[in-house]
Amino acid sequence: EAQVTQNPRYLITVTGKKLTVTCSQNMNHEYMSWYRQDPGLGLRQIYYSMNVEVTDKGDVPEGYKVSRKEKRNFPLILESPSPNQTSLYFCASSLGLSNSYEQYFGPGTRLTVT
Amino acid sequence: QKEVEQDPGPLSVPEGAIVSLNCTYSNSAFQYFMWYRQYSRKGPELLMYTYSSGNKEDGRFTAQVDKSSKYISLFIRDSQPSDSATYLCAMSEGFQKLVFGTGTRLLVSP
Repeated sequence: EAQVTQNPRYLITVTGKKLTVTCSQNMNHEYMSWYRQDPGLGLRQIYYSMNVEVTDKGDVPEGYKVSRKEKRNFPLILESPSPNQTSLYFCASSLGLSNSYEQYFGPGTRLTVT
Repeated sequence: QKEVEQDPGPLSVPEGAIVSLNCTYSNSAFQYFMWYRQYSRKGPELLMYTYSSGNKEDGRFTAQVDKSSKYISLFIRDSQPSDSATYLCAMSEGFQKLVFGTGTRLLVSP
């Protein structure tokens, strides 16, 4: 089944404790992206990647890191999480940048930072 | 002012009603217009997309784009309880990032 998977689905952590949210897709997509979804603000792009070893900042990249060492994986790293990073996070992928209108989203990771 | 504005709802309708969901935008460079549907505790999924102006129909769903008014709509005919979800509009200038609306929550009661 074609899908985007994220782990963990739920995470409660404390301020400053480094964490990684994994994202993997099995569709051989080139373009991958991370979003956060907050009430009243909608989906905002954090980082995106157009291919292996090619990443760039989205609208709200502060406090986050990403890497793209393999085509299928695009982990999101929070080196020192803070309470304002409490949010619902989605990973998404599309065939390529030219198909970015059709993004396939993962199930989401709900992160709480206390 | 946000680039894309969308009424958060909730919009409550009885089963069988025609539903109209709308977004306005300010960036005249937007060329691609999408509607995503998001069920509770799930990720968004693409429902329809339209390039430039005009209408597009897919079953019970019709997407309309009026670039002169910077206004897009999604119509759902014969709405069903299974249509209850949050509907997100999204737009892009082309091979660029998507800009999402905040979503409208739709509730269709049996």
